[in-house]
Amino acid sequence: GENVEQHPSTLSVQEGDSAVIKCTYSDSASNYFPWYKQELGKRPQLIIDIRSNVGEKKDQRIAVTLNKTAKHFSLHITETQPEDSAVYFCAALSAANAGGTSYGKLTFGQGTILTVHP
Amino acid sequence: GAVVSQHPSWVICKSGTSVKIECRSLDFQATTMFWYRQFPKQSLMLMATSNEGSKATYEQGVEKDKFLINHASLTLSTLTVTSAHPEDSSFYICSARTAPGQKGSGQETQYFGPGTRLLVL
Repeated sequence: GENVEQHPSTLSVQEGDSAVIKCTYSDSASNYFPWYKQELGKRPQLIIDIRSNVGEKKDQRIAVTLNKTAKHFSLHITETQPEDSAVYFCAALSAANAGGTSYGKLTFGQGTILTVHP
Repeated sequence: GAVVSQHPSWVICKSGTSVKIECRSLDFQATTMFWYRQFPKQSLMLMATSNEGSKATYEQGVEKDKFLINHASLTLSTLTVTSAHPEDSSFYICSARTAPGQKGSGQETQYFGPGTRLLVL
């Protein structure tokens, strides 16, 4: 099955700095890679996603890059703010079933605790 | 759009009792729902996948007789923790998504419920 590795496990930055979180995946057939932000005791919130036919996607201060050949993708947050502090999870969607009637399942990375100091 | 609700938000129960958690998609048809368990400071671990009208598919190591899942409609799935024990105490989160070809942006996108915190005494 799919295996997703996420690094670093903790990341501490000063407000205004950039933060980068990296993930690798094992299944070359995976084709969808979302990133979730989870605040303490709350649900994971989708912040950005990228599909395998795209190499980069940006949404304001957040960007995601994907290298299919190397099977890794990264989250970039620029101009970090204290409210960006949370746990961030990457995930990879495994291939759908042969009949195409259902998507596969998400496999999550271990998570990165991001702390942005004022 | 794409709102998923979960009830209850927290529950405390005695060891040996059963607890039912509901997951609802409020504004879209959730052909597939997922149940996750998350222990403190850990990632989300998939417990099972349920498709509307069919039996759930459980991940390896998850007891299907202990964690009963029902997905009787396109907007509701339930997880029942039977004979709960203290080691079942965790944060249970559901998520929902549509099927290929269905209307909805990012069809493969999963939307998460707010979670249910279970404490078994």
